[in-house]
Amino acid sequence: ETGVTQTPRHLVMGMTNKKSLKCEQHLGHNAMYWYKQSAKKPLELMFVYSLEERVENNSVPSRFSPECPNSSHLFLHLHTLQPEDSALYLCASSQDFGTGCAFGPGTRLLVL
Amino acid sequence: AQRVTQPEKLLSVFKGAPVELKCNYSYSGSPELFWYVQYSRQRLQLLLRHISRESIKGFTADLNKGETSFHLKKPFAQEEDSAMYYCAPRYGNKLVFGAGTILRVKS
Repeated sequence: ETGVTQTPRHLVMGMTNKKSLKCEQHLGHNAMYWYKQSAKKPLELMFVYSLEERVENNSVPSRFSPECPNSSHLFLHLHTLQPEDSALYLCASSQDFGTGCAFGPGTRLLVL
Repeated sequence: AQRVTQPEKLLSVFKGAPVELKCNYSYSGSPELFWYVQYSRQRLQLLLRHISRESIKGFTADLNKGETSFHLKKPFAQEEDSAMYYCAPRYGNKLVFGAGTILRVKS
């Protein structure tokens, strides 16, 4: 597998569930990102990790908890989500911050 | 504030016509500028970046610092150019996306 992969591709969860989204990049990049894409809204940056250290938390509610165990893997842990959190969650990676990002295919999340 | 504006939600042109997708950004410290594209059923991908001064698939983008604009242009549109286009300035470690413009090229 090359590029940026995300699992699962689709997820349906109740408001009391706990689930995790996984992202893996095979590009040797040193920065990883989570973005949220809601209907009729621009892509919103959620978190930025550089060399496994979180460098940006874009005012994201605590029910979203990121984890970056190494430079190739990024997780987004979800708990007690709300229906308005239903969206496409995109993972991306880049080499440093001056280059473009490579995006994964996204996880389509539906919160019931 | 870091903002990017793409004023057109939809741009519809005929094949062979020139295309210009508009983008204006807030100044906040000379951001690096990118255009991303998403074709139907494909993932978001980088189209071009200003610093490379490249032409990709016939597209170019001109930076106008005075007007804080980074419009994307192509002299002759092709049907395969139909896609969603996002302008994205990078402010430090933040890549900020515009709302996107759907380009529809009709035959």
